[in-house]
Amino acid sequence: AQSVAQPEDQVNVAEGNPLTVKCTYSVSGNPYLFWYVQYPNRGLQFLLKYITGDNLVKGSYGFEAEFNKSQTSFHLKKPSALVSDSALYFCAVRDGIIPGGYNKLIFGAGTRLAVHP
Amino acid sequence: EAGVTQSPTHLIKTRGQQATLRCSPISGHTSVYWYQQALGLGLQFLLWYDEGEERNRGNFPPRFSGRQFPNYSSELNVNALELEDSALYLCASSMNRDKNTEAFFGQGTRLTVV
Repeated sequence: AQSVAQPEDQVNVAEGNPLTVKCTYSVSGNPYLFWYVQYPNRGLQFLLKYITGDNLVKGSYGFEAEFNKSQTSFHLKKPSALVSDSALYFCAVRDGIIPGGYNKLIFGAGTRLAVHP
Repeated sequence: EAGVTQSPTHLIKTRGQQATLRCSPISGHTSVYWYQQALGLGLQFLLWYDEGEERNRGNFPPRFSGRQFPNYSSELNVNALELEDSALYLCASSMNRDKNTEAFFGQGTRLTVV
């Protein structure tokens, strides 16, 4: 069965420093990977996705993610963190277990990012 | 362009009652998803509607049900409410069922069962 793991409940980083939020996945077949961000009392906002092609995917707000097939990882990164990046980040995966069908989008437990001034 | 809209924003019910939550997808989107986000937990997949039919279902009891209307809007019904049903219920929509299609989320309905 497909699954997503976000091993860190919280990541703390100083403003201006690079940040990494980790995600590993398990799927049958090729993975389709997504990152979302959730600000307090809000819904989720789509950040970026990996479907195929370049392993480094660029998304909104300066975020990028690196797909590593051998390590089954899809870590979210940003070269220089902002205090306003503080939020809850979710990694998600959709696999092709149902060919041409309705394959669920499954989310990790979330990682809270705290960026300190 | 309007995003995914959910109503009501907040809902307070007593145990044993029924709750109805509503979702309007982005114009042109045919797929609607429902997720439950309980406090301290991640998003749990509830239901997926597309073209008016239930297409996939998460591990929730039958008292969680819903439907999709011809205009692709959707309702989530929760019968015989239990205290543990208190959560943020998120609706999302996508253009189609393709694996590479991202979903866009509404702001959620916070259901409180007392």
